[in-house]
Amino acid sequence: SSELTQDPAVSVALGQTVRITCQGDSLRSYYASWYQQKPGQAPVLVIYGKNNRPSGIPDRFSGSSSGNTASLTITGAQAEDEADYYCNSRDSSGNHLGVFGGGTKLTVL
Amino acid sequence: QVQLVESGGGLVKPGGSLRLSCAASGFTFSDYYMSWIRQAPGKGLEWVSYISSSSSYTNYADSVKGRFTISRDNAKNSLYLQMNSLRAEDTAVYYCASVVVTARFDAFDIWGQGTMVTVSS
Repeated sequence: SSELTQDPAVSVALGQTVRITCQGDSLRSYYASWYQQKPGQAPVLVIYGKNNRPSGIPDRFSGSSSGNTASLTITGAQAEDEADYYCNSRDSSGNHLGVFGGGTKLTVL
Repeated sequence: QVQLVESGGGLVKPGGSLRLSCAASGFTFSDYYMSWIRQAPGKGLEWVSYISSSSSYTNYADSVKGRFTISRDNAKNSLYLQMNSLRAEDTAVYYCASVVVTARFDAFDIWGQGTMVTVSS
């Protein structure tokens, strides 16, 4: 399968921990990367590989993977974390065939 | 600073053509795979195409295969997307992105600000 499935919406209370998940067959073989997109802005890479953060991404963002599920965890969510989050992986065939999840709208209450 | 700047978007009629450009600066463009990703209004991200650092490898989403062509000019630090036989469903913001490629993952690490393509009569 070339699909990645995300919950459409998730909410979290300010300062609490939230996990955003991504499911797909390709995740059994390949790591997901995660992107944050705020309204009117380009996406920003927040997690890649096993659990790597680009420079400038706060350490409250972390990634993990188990079986066919990848997770993005925000520990101590802040108001500025409210955004759409997308996972991405290769196609399960291993070709450089980008597959994005449908996105999760995170609301910080 | 590290930057990608897209250009070339606009309004085009169905069946028409458009060529997008992406100018890179602040990093060694010729070392990186590059990609185009698009986002239709109010929708999610859709990967469009990859090209390897030397242009020896390209790949396309099924939705654009045979109509779009990705290319690059490493001497000009530029990436291109030639879009032919455009359809209404190609209407989107088109982003270029550099790609980190490893054995276990790809990651789009630098993104441009996007350029809007509208296909309408």
